[in-house]
Amino acid sequence: NAGVTQTPKFRILKIGQSMTLQCTQDMNHNYMYWYRQDPGMGLKLIYYSVGAGITDKGEVPNGYNVSRSTTEDFPLRLELAAPSQTSVYFCASSYTQGGHNEQFFGPGTRLTVL
Amino acid sequence: LAKTTQPISMDSYEGQEVNITCSHNNIATNDYITWYQQFPSQGPRFIIQGYKTKVTNEVASLFIPADRKSSTLSLPRVSLSDTAVYYCLVGDTGWSGGSYIPTFGRGTSLIVHP
Repeated sequence: NAGVTQTPKFRILKIGQSMTLQCTQDMNHNYMYWYRQDPGMGLKLIYYSVGAGITDKGEVPNGYNVSRSTTEDFPLRLELAAPSQTSVYFCASSYTQGGHNEQFFGPGTRLTVL
Repeated sequence: LAKTTQPISMDSYEGQEVNITCSHNNIATNDYITWYQQFPSQGPRFIIQGYKTKVTNEVASLFIPADRKSSTLSLPRVSLSDTAVYYCLVGDTGWSGGSYIPTFGRGTSLIVHP
């Protein structure tokens, strides 16, 4: 199994541009998550999904959108990129829900908005 | 929602045992305690999880006292490769209508010296 894969690894955007961060998992997990991590800080949950067709906001959803058309894929869309969105983005998945689940993380996408 | 408090940083030397304590005074009856490890430029990785008493796996041990208001991650005989950030999370078994937000605080930055 490849686990959780993310593309691209790095990206530089100009202010106002848009892009989609891709996330795919091959573990047949129902639960998927998007986090952002600013330098020296912990991870903050942006959006999560409990299954295909179902998504919900996390702690910091403003400026982002997600969709979940299949179990495997959970893309994160940035519209009108802003410098405040410069961060490292991690996608994760888990088999079960809640605080007793084990989350599997992807390698991350490092995004810079100039 | 239980909040956690960990030391910001710790230093150790190769071959020593390292104990990182996490305080979670408001832990609820159904909450589990989970620890993750994060190396630079990588996503977090699950280390260990427990509910009460002691849990041990091939990587670490987790000690949880009877009142469950704190927990201690124990890393035996650390090596340079254990230099990482360690996160303590507390959460229950379900989303409860979307109320569970996985919270990765700033974690504990462990530096192992030769």
